[in-house]
Amino acid sequence: AQSVTQLDSQVPVFEEAPVELRCNYSSSVSVYLFWYVQYPNQGLQLLLKYLSGSTLVESINGFEAEFNKSQTSFHLRKPSVHISDTAEYFCAVSARGNYQLIWGAGTKLIIKP
Amino acid sequence: NAGVTQTPKFQVLKTGQSMTLQCAQDMNHNSMYWYRQDPGMGLRLIYYSASEGTTDKGEVPNGYNVSRLNKREFSLRLESAAPSQTSVYFCASSVLAGGPGNEQFFGPGTRLTVL
Repeated sequence: AQSVTQLDSQVPVFEEAPVELRCNYSSSVSVYLFWYVQYPNQGLQLLLKYLSGSTLVESINGFEAEFNKSQTSFHLRKPSVHISDTAEYFCAVSARGNYQLIWGAGTKLIIKP
Repeated sequence: NAGVTQTPKFQVLKTGQSMTLQCAQDMNHNSMYWYRQDPGMGLRLIYYSASEGTTDKGEVPNGYNVSRLNKREFSLRLESAAPSQTSVYFCASSVLAGGPGNEQFFGPGTRLTVL
């Protein structure tokens, strides 16, 4: 079985500062990894995903995440945040060939002006 | 394309009332899912349908039933609503459950309050 831990329920950061949202997972089999974003009062949308190949994956709006197999982590980073990045971010994992996405509890990114 | 649509957006029920949440997708996806979202708990899977004609329980199925009406539509029914079912409900779909990536596309959600 898989599990996902998002270590921080909230991360406050000043605008234009860098941010890292942490995600650790456990699994005995190979996995796919995802970050989803939920803007206030909206549904979730995919931010980026790791399937295979390069361990560093990027989104179109400047976020990146690195798959670290030895540390079973998939942390999300952005070098300079904007007020529009205010949202809740969810890490999720699925075992290859399995229907189910296992979700972390979410991290609220709070941007301070 | 509208993607995944859900109705209603908001609903208030009294304890013991029943209702059906509707979900439809126009992406020709095979798999559909119902989640509930509660503060600090992330998303929990209620039911899913890997393909048309099949449904299976997820993590928290008690108190709910589902119907995969056709490939496009997947409804969630609360037969006798309880205050513990106050939540935000999301429908999602994916090309194929367990397929490469298993990326899921979400609807806008239904905010349900049970008094």
